[in-house]
Formats: sequence, C-alpha cells, structure tokens
Amino acid sequence: DGGITQSPKYLFRKEGQNVTLSCEQNLNHDAMYWYRQDPGQGLRLIYYSQIVNDFQKGDIAEGYSVSREKKESFPLTVTSAQKNPTAFYLCASSPTMIRQPQHFGDGTRLSIL
Amino acid sequence: GESVGLHLPTLSVQEGDNSIINCAYSNSASDYFIWYKQESGKGPQFIIDIRSNMDKRQGQRVTVLLNKTVKHLSLQIAATQPGDSAVYFCAGLYSGGGADGLTFGKGTHLIIQP
Repeated sequence: DGGITQSPKYLFRKEGQNVTLSCEQNLNHDAMYWYRQDPGQGLRLIYYSQIVNDFQKGDIAEGYSVSREKKESFPLTVTSAQKNPTAFYLCASSPTMIRQPQHFGDGTRLSIL
Repeated sequence: GESVGLHLPTLSVQEGDNSIINCAYSNSASDYFIWYKQESGKGPQFIIDIRSNMDKRQGQRVTVLLNKTVKHLSLQIAATQPGDSAVYFCAGLYSGGGADGLTFGKGTHLIIQP
C-alpha cells in the first residue's frame, strides 16, 4: 500500500541535542510538508518542499532544519535552538501544492528528557 | 489576519443520529477547503474536500456544505457510528497561496454516546 511512514513513533531529546525525524513517502508526490501540533491547537507549518532540492520556511521554522535530497524523503531536524520542542510532529505530502488534499503520516511524538 | 476555526471544541451526539460540525473562515479569497478526521495518536485522515465553485459535495455518509456569503462550511455525518469518534478539523486554502496558504482550524472533538 502507498503511504507516508514516519519514524520513530516516540522520540526523546536531551538538552542541547539535535534529533532527526524521518519521513518517507511512496506516493510519488512532489510536495512534502512538516507540521507541528500542540494540544488543543491547529497544525502549524514548519517547512515545506515543492520539489527535490528545494524547500521553504513555514510559519514556525526557527530551530528546525530540513533537507530534500530525494523525492521520497523529507527529514526534519529539531535543533538545540528550538527551546520548546515537545510536540506531535506530522509529515504530509501531496501531488502538487495547489488545491489538492495533503496526506499525512501517523506522526512522531517528541519529548524532552 | 487569516484564520479558520471551528465553532465548538466538543460535540456529543447519540449513536445513529446525524452530526454537524461547523467551521468559519475569515479570508474571502479562500477557494478550497478540506475536512480531516484525526484519531488519537494518529495522523489526520482526509475525509472530503470542496472547491469554492461548489455549494455542496457528498461522499460516503458525509456531506460538506459551503456558504461563501457568510464564510462558513459544515461537515455532516449521517447515522453516526462509534468509529466516527475523533477530532475533526477543517483547512482552507486561499487563491494564490502556496503551502503557507493552507490554514488549519483547531478541531472539534466528536464524542459518540451509546
């Protein structure tokens, strides 16, 4: 079955540590996205990528970094500069960015030790 | 600024009844809307979408209504089942927007009473 796979499901970060969240899709979608979800809040966009080797900052990019070296993969690094990283992180993809639904993975829950 | 929001954080309905979840948006240039269902610990699941040139769209047991005059859309779920229990949220995209043009509401938690 085609879909989006996020790993790990749970992740713990120590102070001053960078951690990387994996997102892989086999839907052949061009566009990929990273969102952050906090309790009782809507999804907030961190980064998005329309095509391989290109990505743009979203609303809350500070303290995060991404890469898009392959069409299938869009990893997110939560750096030590992100002072409040505890959240549920969601990766999504869509065929293009215009008027098409985004399909989501099942998320990674990041907590601080 | 632009915003998309649901009217109620929680909605409780009896099993078998119809559910109506409402959403309002502020940007009159929004021309594409999506409804998602999110179960606990999982990612959002696409339910149905609608473009601004339509007033109504139907899927399996779901109907989305769009009222552009008052900038309001609703999701109707027919004959609600226990498996419908989840958080539902709407998202809107305004014309000319890229990914940062897609705005998500905070969600309504649908609770099914037996």
